[in-house]
Amino acid sequence: SQTIHQWPATLVQPVGSPLSLECTVEGTSNPNLYWYRQAAGRGLQLLFYSVGIGQISSEVPQNLSASRPQDRQFILSSKKLLLSDSGFYLCAWSLAGEVGEQYFGPGTRLTVT
Amino acid sequence: KNQVEQSPQSLIILEGKNCTLQCNYTVSPFSNLRWYKQDTGRGPVSLTIMTFSENTKSNGRYTATLDADTKQSSLHITASQLSDSASYICVVRSGGSYIPTFGRGTSLIVHP
Repeated sequence: SQTIHQWPATLVQPVGSPLSLECTVEGTSNPNLYWYRQAAGRGLQLLFYSVGIGQISSEVPQNLSASRPQDRQFILSSKKLLLSDSGFYLCAWSLAGEVGEQYFGPGTRLTVT
Repeated sequence: KNQVEQSPQSLIILEGKNCTLQCNYTVSPFSNLRWYKQDTGRGPVSLTIMTFSENTKSNGRYTATLDADTKQSSLHITASQLSDSASYICVVRSGGSYIPTFGRGTSLIVHP
């Protein structure tokens, strides 16, 4: 069976510090991978998606970046965090192709102070 | 522009009561519509998926309907339980796209 992991589960970082959130998927190959952010009381905002290694599409211009160094690994990074980066970050995967269900990870709660 | 609108934004009901959540979309071309349940602090989990040809689908106490002509869907919860307290998110995918369109969700609180 497939599983998706995210870490860390919670993170408190000062403004201006760097960020690295990691997401890994087990039990499937060549998945589509997604990073979402959910601000308090808001809907899910798609940040990045990837349909293959090294292929990253950005949906929202901001100070975040994403990388996919391996088939089932997706990393969200920032060089300098802003207060507005606080939120709940969710990684998701779906089978290759455009109509598959998305399976979400447990999320990372980021608080920028 | 593809959009998904959900109503109400929040809802409070007593345990054992029924409720209905609404989803209106302007996604084209339509591929499928999913309802997700998101517990606080957790990732969303799929409840149902509906394609163009389906107008009703059930998953236990959850029943989703789809009217593709009016581009509306509803999620009916029967005999609510405390564990139904969560955010319910409507997600619509268009054909040929990797990117689904998410509604903002309806926050449901079930009181004893």
